[in-house]
Amino acid sequence: QKEVEQNSGPLSVPEGAIASLNCTYSDRGSQSFFWYRQYSGKSPELIMFIYSNGDKEDGRFTAQLNKASQYVSLLIRDSQPSDSATYLCALLRGSGGADGLTFGKGTHLIIQP
Amino acid sequence: KAGVTQTPRYLIKTRGQQVTLSCSPISGHRSVSWYQQTPGQGLQFLFEYFSETQRNKGNFPGRFSGRQFSNSRSEMNVSTLELGDSALYLCASSLGTGYNEQFFGPGTRLTVL
Repeated sequence: QKEVEQNSGPLSVPEGAIASLNCTYSDRGSQSFFWYRQYSGKSPELIMFIYSNGDKEDGRFTAQLNKASQYVSLLIRDSQPSDSATYLCALLRGSGGADGLTFGKGTHLIIQP
Repeated sequence: KAGVTQTPRYLIKTRGQQVTLSCSPISGHRSVSWYQQTPGQGLQFLFEYFSETQRNKGNFPGRFSGRQFSNSRSEMNVSTLELGDSALYLCASSLGTGYNEQFFGPGTRLTVL
């Protein structure tokens, strides 16, 4: 089982709708979870991080964490064409960060005008 | 405030050669992490330096090494290059040792022929 799994997509969502991106992980000791956005040909940029079970909202973005089920998700409300990018899920494993961030391979999101 | 800078942006080498990549973090940032990004493996953590000390290391062979200077600038060295080392090498800086304020540079695209 891969450490961090994401559906590669592409995930196509109409403009104005809610885009839902999911990520599952295998290490139950994982502590901190991050969502990055990467535009084609650009470097990743941090959108949000979440440490505790539940929801965390920041503007149009909501991160959801469920440690019991070992998944983390990112919701994008009122999706815009500028949200079209690859979204990377990352985490700090139970080693206390000794292994650095572990990334999924990303989900390619396309917002259709 | 200037962002993370990496030099060179593009590099072509041949198998067996060695290469040194440079990263200048955001002013005031003391932590620098290095990542390798390939289409097949995605984004993988190489190592992290804080105050001139390597804190964490990913699962890469000893051919990959790095260092950090007193001004927080960091260099990464790859010796005896292999074709599989062709990748985008990204560095990221953060103020402290956490990953919740990590900013990526534009990357160095290394091609090994």
